[in-house]
Amino acid sequence: DGGITQSPKYLFRKEGQNVTLSCEQNLNHDAMYWYRQDPGQGLRLIYYSQIVNDFQKGDIAEGYSVSREKKESFPLTVTSAQKNPTAFYLCASSIRYTEAFFGQGTRLTVV
Amino acid sequence: AQSVAQPEDQVNVAEGNPLTVKCTYSVSGNPYLFWYVQYPNRGLQFLLKYITGDNLVKGSYGFEAEFNKSQTSFHLKKPSALVSDSALYFCAVRVPRGDDKIIFGKGTRLHILP
Repeated sequence: DGGITQSPKYLFRKEGQNVTLSCEQNLNHDAMYWYRQDPGQGLRLIYYSQIVNDFQKGDIAEGYSVSREKKESFPLTVTSAQKNPTAFYLCASSIRYTEAFFGQGTRLTVV
Repeated sequence: AQSVAQPEDQVNVAEGNPLTVKCTYSVSGNPYLFWYVQYPNRGLQFLLKYITGDNLVKGSYGFEAEFNKSQTSFHLKKPSALVSDSALYFCAVRVPRGDDKIIFGKGTRLHILP
């Protein structure tokens, strides 16, 4: 089945630790996106990529990094510089100018 | 800058009654508009979209939405609500040029009362 897969579903981070969230798609979509969801704040764009080896900062990129070495993969690293990383993270992909398809999300908690 | 507003944090509707979830947008240029639904601890599911053409678009699960260019609105509607429609609904906008970001509203929680 075609789709977009995020892993892990739950992730726990210690203070000062970097963690990487995985996002893989087999839909042959060029564009991929990372969003952060907090209660009452909707979805805020972290990074997006329209093509391999290229990506742009969204509205809340500080403390995060990404790479896009393959069309299928767009991992997100939450660095120690992100002071409040506890949130639900959503990855999406799309063909240009049409609807996006979402993964099931990763819930990150700082312990 | 592009933006999407969902003016209601929560909407309560009795089962069987019609429902409306409001969305307004602000973009330069012609927008592409979308509605998504989210169930607890899940990703977003696509419901419907307006790209061009007929202002009334129909989507999944009996939902429809009306594009109103003069009022810059794209309200989601359903003639008869079901308890299973209770969820979080997001409106989104995308402008077909430039960086092609997808911008979401803050979401509206829909409660359908039995």
